[in-house]
Amino acid sequence: DAGVIQSPRHEVTEMGQEVTLRCKPISGHNSLFWYRQTMMRGLELLIYFNNNVPIDDSGMPEDRFSAKMPNASFSTLKIQPSEPRDSAVYFCASSSRNHQPQHFGDGTRLSIL
Amino acid sequence: RKEVEQDPGPFNVPEGATVAFNCTYSNSASQSFFWYRQDCRKEPKLLMSVYSSGNEDGRFTAQLNRASQYISLLIRDSKLSDSATYLCVVNTNAGKSTFGDGTTLTVKP
Repeated sequence: DAGVIQSPRHEVTEMGQEVTLRCKPISGHNSLFWYRQTMMRGLELLIYFNNNVPIDDSGMPEDRFSAKMPNASFSTLKIQPSEPRDSAVYFCASSSRNHQPQHFGDGTRLSIL
Repeated sequence: RKEVEQDPGPFNVPEGATVAFNCTYSNSASQSFFWYRQDCRKEPKLLMSVYSSGNEDGRFTAQLNRASQYISLLIRDSKLSDSATYLCVVNTNAGKSTFGDGTTLTVKP
């Protein structure tokens, strides 16, 4: 079975550019999560969706970050404009129900120069 | 105070040793609990769920104490391949997951 699929795997871009990260959850999973991981701050929950609806976006750092889930099989995380401090590994995860464990994608390693 | 707190580590143990990790959580409404493993530059992967009665999976034993809001993970007969960061995860009824900062384990020959 296909797991959570994220793209791109790596992204290097200059500050000020728009960055779009993509995620395809496991088929049948109705919860989707976006995380950011850095050495300094560990794993941080940015936003999560239930049935394509954003439930909690309190972890989104600022207005430069936005996330959408137009349908059950696709989500995007956008950063516009990007800044060097946004450099991190961004993970997407999905789960089938509230009390079920999450399954993570391979992550996107983002470097903003 | 963090919602989920773990032993700071790092733990450095010889092969064959038994090692235990602890985790405490602050939200008494938490409903489900998990241990994840994360290898360097990889994604977190589910190691095991934690059930109220305690559960075992081979060399790994997980326990939950709801009264003390405490979770533990015991690894017996440590292998070199057990070297990783272990993350404690707590879910609320609303489906939100909170991850601990992780405990790093290094198993040495």
